[in-house]
Amino acid sequence: QSALTQPRSVSGSPGQSVTISCTGTSSNVGAYNYVSWYQQHPGKGPKLMIYDVSKRPSGVPDRFSGSKSGNTASLTISGLQAEDEADYYCCSYAGSYTLVFGGGTKLTVL
Amino acid sequence: EVQLVGSGGGLVQPGGSLRLSCAASGFTLSNYWMHWVRQVPGKGLVWVSAINNDGSATTYADSVKGRFTSSRDNAKNTLYLQMNSLRAEDTAVYYCAGGDSTWLAYWGQGTLVTVSS
Repeated sequence: QSALTQPRSVSGSPGQSVTISCTGTSSNVGAYNYVSWYQQHPGKGPKLMIYDVSKRPSGVPDRFSGSKSGNTASLTISGLQAEDEADYYCCSYAGSYTLVFGGGTKLTVL
Repeated sequence: EVQLVGSGGGLVQPGGSLRLSCAASGFTLSNYWMHWVRQVPGKGLVWVSAINNDGSATTYADSVKGRFTSSRDNAKNTLYLQMNSLRAEDTAVYYCAGGDSTWLAYWGQGTLVTVSS
């Protein structure tokens, strides 16, 4: 149950696009199309942004999109806005009804 | 409005026990898988446990297996986490979260557990 690997930080200017990667193994990310992404602002609980690799829950802007290739999933945020500044976590199904999170990525909007 | 309100956290000595509760409102617990996720302040999220809709199946992270037990009372719309043989490394904010077996759509506000002598 090792954590998925994410970059510790990414940054971008308002209006730009950023992509956050999430690398796992053939036992989790590569094995299932069950990657989800969560946004967490300081002092708040996490919020689901993407599930099943690329599906957006109701209310999540279409600026947020997800994809996967092999053992690596990605979250892309286009048209960056100041309120997007937060920590982002990927999460993958790892079989036998267990989940594994990534270490988290801090997004800074310059 | 969906609310998941956690309670039961606090300070406990190493080796001690604690039971966390998570009460749901505006949300029918029996419709969802429920999970516990913990976070050391300033650190990342770590999945702890999951329990299926009717409580007949539970799974755990290796780090808590044999020490923690998840349960639920759908009639009371409440989720529980019984934590035994607590260690310093179990110190964290514990979130309850509801969704499917593979995603967590609804999150509580978190309850802090501190294991220290």
